[in-house]
Amino acid sequence: DAGVIQSPRHEVTEMGQEVTLRCKPISGHDYLFWYRQTMMRGLELLIYFNNNVPIDDSGMPEDRFSAKMPNASFSTLKIQPSEPRDSAVYFCASSPTGEEGELFFGEGSRLTVL
Amino acid sequence: AQSVAQPEDQVNVAEGNPLTVKCTYSVSGNPYLFWYVQYPNRGLQFLLKYITGDNLVKGSYGFEAEFNKSQTSFHLKKPSALVSDSALYFCAVRDLGSYIPTFGRGTSLIVHP
Repeated sequence: DAGVIQSPRHEVTEMGQEVTLRCKPISGHDYLFWYRQTMMRGLELLIYFNNNVPIDDSGMPEDRFSAKMPNASFSTLKIQPSEPRDSAVYFCASSPTGEEGELFFGEGSRLTVL
Repeated sequence: AQSVAQPEDQVNVAEGNPLTVKCTYSVSGNPYLFWYVQYPNRGLQFLLKYITGDNLVKGSYGFEAEFNKSQTSFHLKKPSALVSDSALYFCAVRDLGSYIPTFGRGTSLIVHP
């Protein structure tokens, strides 16, 4: 299994531009999580899906952020318009059913907004 | 509500010495506890977990962790540290019935040659 696949690995953009981050979870995993990691705030949960349905998006910072999961093998996190304070590493993780399951993380997408 | 604390931002240890990275937790029910490791510019990788049973859990790369219910702790240990163990370590907890793990702030482990 290739694991959780994220793209792009690095993104540099200018303030005001739209950013789309992509994630392919591990096949068969029912849960998908989007996290953001910064030095100041550590690891923050943005949103999670169960069977492609968004369950909890209370961690999404504001309306500029949106996430979708159109099918079991693909999810996107979109920021529009982007701001310099959005600069961070964004991780996607998937997990099988149940509280006992550990999370499998992708390698992350490092976003820099100038 | 569930929470986890990693009281040390950084742990320094000499290669060959034993290491301990501390974690304490708070849950309303029975906890599911996890340790993850993050190497520079990489995603988090699962090391080990406690679900039930033996309080001493063994995981990847020679790491182990001890679940202590009375002290609500789940410290990560390794008998002999390697320079290559230098990384950021995260403790996480899930309460019974919760699908969202709560992560600690992370502890930077530095192993000196």
